[in-house]
Amino acid sequence: KAGVTQTPRYLIKTRGQQVTLSCSPISGHRSVSWYQQTPGQGLQFLFEYFSETQRNKGNFPGRFSGRQFSNSRSEMNVSTLELGDSALYLCASSLKGQGPREQYFGPGTRLTVT
Amino acid sequence: SQQGEEDPQALSIQEGENATMNCSYKTSINNLQWYRQNSGRGLVHLILIRSNEREKHSGRLRVTLDTSKKSSSLLITASRAADTASYFCATDYSGSGNTGKLIFGQGTTLQVKP
Repeated sequence: KAGVTQTPRYLIKTRGQQVTLSCSPISGHRSVSWYQQTPGQGLQFLFEYFSETQRNKGNFPGRFSGRQFSNSRSEMNVSTLELGDSALYLCASSLKGQGPREQYFGPGTRLTVT
Repeated sequence: SQQGEEDPQALSIQEGENATMNCSYKTSINNLQWYRQNSGRGLVHLILIRSNEREKHSGRLRVTLDTSKKSSSLLITASRAADTASYFCATDYSGSGNTGKLIFGQGTTLQVKP
């Protein structure tokens, strides 16, 4: 099975612009989570989707949003980019929607905001 | 912050030696997981231990969990140069509504010298 894929892998944007990142989970996985990783704050949970519904959201401003499609692919969007949004954005999928479950991470999208 | 703490932040050992990393967390959990990350890439799941388990093994990995002390440790035996990576503990805490939201520690950077 193919692993979790994320596109694009690298992105450079300017302050004030918006960006959309894409994540394709492992086939059959219906839960998709997004995390932001920065040197200062570490790995922080953004949101989780299951069957096209956002079930949980981290402590991020409303500029961060996401969605999940019927084929379980997910996108996250960041509007009005700020320098502090520069980070590695990681997507993870899991087979189960509840209970103890490991998450499979993609390679990430490295976003640089200038 | 809900994030846990890991100790030590960095660890350098010789090939063949054992490496021990510790993780402390703050809230009651459903389970605790350990992940490995190589050079800012995606995370790889290593092991999951449920809150009612005290010890778990997987190959050269041994994980312990002490819920009374809210702490866990990861032991890598007979380390190899390929084990060089950052290691993160992640808690699936009881208040997450079973949505798979993980709270990550700051990580331990392990260097194994050949």
